[in-house]
Amino acid sequence: EVVLTQSPGTLSLSPGERATLSCRASQSIRSNYLAWYQQKFGQAPRLLIYGASSRATGIPDRFSISGSGTDFTLTISTLEPEDFAVYYCQQYAASPFTFGPGTTVEI
Amino acid sequence: QLQLQESGPGLVKPSETLSLNCTVSGGSINSPSYFWGWIRQPPGKGPEWIGSMIFSGNTYYNPSLESRVTISVDTSKNQFSLKLSSVTATDTAVYYCASSPRGTWTFNWGQGTLVTVSS
Repeated sequence: EVVLTQSPGTLSLSPGERATLSCRASQSIRSNYLAWYQQKFGQAPRLLIYGASSRATGIPDRFSISGSGTDFTLTISTLEPEDFAVYYCQQYAASPFTFGPGTTVEI
Repeated sequence: QLQLQESGPGLVKPSETLSLNCTVSGGSINSPSYFWGWIRQPPGKGPEWIGSMIFSGNTYYNPSLESRVTISVDTSKNQFSLKLSSVTATDTAVYYCASSPRGTWTFNWGQGTLVTVSS
């Protein structure tokens, strides 16, 4: 099983700042089969971005991803008030598909 | 646009079977364009993939739950279901049904339903 570790656990930032979230895998993830989700309190996670750099429908371009192998990064270039939430990474390169423990982006 | 809605009991007794349904609207459960699955999220924790079914009827389960899980489809109701047997308190979680576009195992989630295991 591929174990995903996310850091930091909590990121305290202000609107307008840049957020950098890390996801590290216990083994190399082929073909960048990694996805990122956003979850707001009391809501289901929402797919943001996946693969090489494919954004889900309606996701603005301030969200971007980078990395390969075992180290991946989600960047939010300029934080908007609606971006404060919990972010999870998920690998779909190998079953069982696994999620990280999440990074909370707070004001 | 696909929409998914979970339904089922919110309280299950220990050792019993948890049963949930997911109703699909905006598309057919028979579509070869989607896979159908279940994910759960214990309070305050990250999500855990339970299993998925593809259009051929083949199912794929998380090995940690495989001995207790069954996912099946009811095409007449455009629904798919989850059964998890011999539940304990550690199975308490929000349960989500989800769709995956064929060719990728990313997930688009229903709104979720909280299931508590308690006597």
